[in-house]
Amino acid sequence: AQSVAQPEDQVNVAEGNPLTVKCTYSVSGNPYLFWYVQYPNRGLQFLLKYITGDNLVKGSYGFEAEFNKSQTSFHLKKPSALVSDSALYFCAVSTNAGKSTFGDGTTLTVKP
Amino acid sequence: DVKVTQSSRYLVKRTGEKVFLECVQDMDHENMFWYRQDPGLGLRLIYFSYDVKMKEKGDIPEGYSVSREKKERFSLILESASTNQTSMYLCASSPNLAGGLYEQYFGPGTRLTVT
Repeated sequence: AQSVAQPEDQVNVAEGNPLTVKCTYSVSGNPYLFWYVQYPNRGLQFLLKYITGDNLVKGSYGFEAEFNKSQTSFHLKKPSALVSDSALYFCAVSTNAGKSTFGDGTTLTVKP
Repeated sequence: DVKVTQSSRYLVKRTGEKVFLECVQDMDHENMFWYRQDPGLGLRLIYFSYDVKMKEKGDIPEGYSVSREKKERFSLILESASTNQTSMYLCASSPNLAGGLYEQYFGPGTRLTVT
């Protein structure tokens, strides 16, 4: 069975500082990895994904994520956080079987 | 832009009522999904569908059923609502299966309260 762990319920950073939201996964076979963001009272929006190739993937709003196969991780990063980045972030994994599994989510708070 | 719409943003129902949640997508996606979102539990898959009239159980199908009579529409049915079904319900769609390669597009959600 596939699974996703987001070890931090909450991440707090100051505006302008770099941010990292952690994600580890467990699957059989090659993983497809995704990050989604949910702003208050909104549905989830796709940020970025890793399918194959370059381990560093870039996505919307200046976010990027690094795929690390040996550590089975896919951490979300941004060099300089904005207050508007404050939201709930979900990591997800799927495989050739098609079904996606989501993590429990991490609340990011960026303080001015 | 892909648009996924859900019939209600907020819904209040009584215990024992039959509840219908409707989802429509406008991008001709083959796959559609129903999730429930609860604090600290992330998104849990209730049912999904790969094609018209096809459905498969997700991780928590008990107490729910679904209907997909047309490609663009996927309905979630609570046969007899209970208080433990109070939750945020999210609908999503994605292009053809292709082994889970594609991201999902989500609707705004329906917050259901069962009293």
